[in-house]
Amino acid sequence: KAGVTQTPRYLIKTRGQQVTLSCSPISGHRSVSWYQQTPGQGLQFLFEYFSETQRNKGNFPGRFSGRQFSNSRSEMNVSTLELGDSALYLCASSRDGFSGNTIYFGEGSWLTVV
Amino acid sequence: GQNIDQPTEMTATEGAIVQINCTYQTSGFNGLFWYQQHAGEAPTFLSYNVLDGLEEKGRFSSFLSRSKGYSYLLLKELQMKDSASYLCAALMEYGNKLVFGAGTILRVKS
Repeated sequence: KAGVTQTPRYLIKTRGQQVTLSCSPISGHRSVSWYQQTPGQGLQFLFEYFSETQRNKGNFPGRFSGRQFSNSRSEMNVSTLELGDSALYLCASSRDGFSGNTIYFGEGSWLTVV
Repeated sequence: GQNIDQPTEMTATEGAIVQINCTYQTSGFNGLFWYQQHAGEAPTFLSYNVLDGLEEKGRFSSFLSRSKGYSYLLLKELQMKDSASYLCAALMEYGNKLVFGAGTILRVKS
């Protein structure tokens, strides 16, 4: 079956712009979470959605937001981009977000802010 | 607080066995994941331990001791393609949140 799909794979934005990234989870998975990966900070949790509700949020500023649709697809948005937002943004999905469910990652979206 | 510790780098020889350790201190814990990540790629799932003990899957095994806050990933019959970063991640009690260690870069030499 298809894995976690993220679009776009690569993008370049200018400081001050905003960006929207999309994630389609594995079929049947209802939990979608987002992570930011940078060389300096490693993998950091942004937020998690389950059944269109945000259940958990990491320590990121309000410029980072997300949402989940009724078909479990999710988007994350970063407004007023800063150079430090350049990173690999990873989406992960699992069946229902409870203990015992494997969490799978997508290929990621590489964001460069110039 | 949450703290996940794993060695920064390890080097091993092709065909050998290597053990990558991970210790964790988290407020709330629901299991321990191991992922493999090659440079420029996304993390690939290797194993998930919820209960204490050893889980074996082919050349890879993972162990968890919840009382000691300790896990390890064992890789047998090392191959050159195993050269990658190995990420240890603790699953929090609520909301499917993973807290990652910094990763262990494994270099396999011939």
